[in-house]
Amino acid sequence: AQTVTQSQPEMSVQEAETVTLSCTYDTSESDYYLFWYKQPPSRQMILVIRQEAYKQQNATENRFSVNFQKAAKSFSLKISDSQLGDAAMYFCAYRSGSGGSNYKLTFGKGTLLTVNP
Amino acid sequence: DSGVTQTPKHLITATGQRVTLRCSPRSGDLSVYWYQQSLDQGLQFLIQYYNGEERAKGNILERFSAQQFPDLHSELNLSSLELGDSALYFCASSVGVQGETQYFGPGTRLLVL
Repeated sequence: AQTVTQSQPEMSVQEAETVTLSCTYDTSESDYYLFWYKQPPSRQMILVIRQEAYKQQNATENRFSVNFQKAAKSFSLKISDSQLGDAAMYFCAYRSGSGGSNYKLTFGKGTLLTVNP
Repeated sequence: DSGVTQTPKHLITATGQRVTLRCSPRSGDLSVYWYQQSLDQGLQFLIQYYNGEERAKGNILERFSAQQFPDLHSELNLSSLELGDSALYFCASSVGVQGETQYFGPGTRLLVL
């Protein structure tokens, strides 16, 4: 079974600075997808970014980018120019890409990000 | 706004009772997933439906059941409720069966007293 580990329960960053959230995963599959979701105090789960394992290029969405190291099974999220609205719980998630019947998301335990003004 | 709707937003009930949570997927999405978020278990997959048929099961208790209707909305039924069932229940949807990208609804917060 796949597992996702977020080793940083909490992180803090100054407004306008850059912060990196870590995620590692364990899988024997070669085809899979990785995601970062954000959960603000409203509790809504918001997709931040997605990475296909077969793509070597790291995904980028505006101020959010990932560092995907397939061999190391590492998938970190970098937030540049941090804003107060970035304060939230961030979840790393894994989804199998292999043929089969289960395409569930497997989540890490989350990293609570605080943004200081 | 993801386009996925869930009702009700909050639900307070007593142990032993039965409740129904409702989810409407994004327009055009055929797959619906249910997840439970609790303090001790984190976010866990419960069940997936695709175009009306059950496709995958996760850590769903026998007291829980779900279905997806012809109009593609889904309902999660929780019965014989226990205190430990108190959690945030999310519905997510995706276009196809493979859950390419799952978009989450706002969740239903269930409190069992």
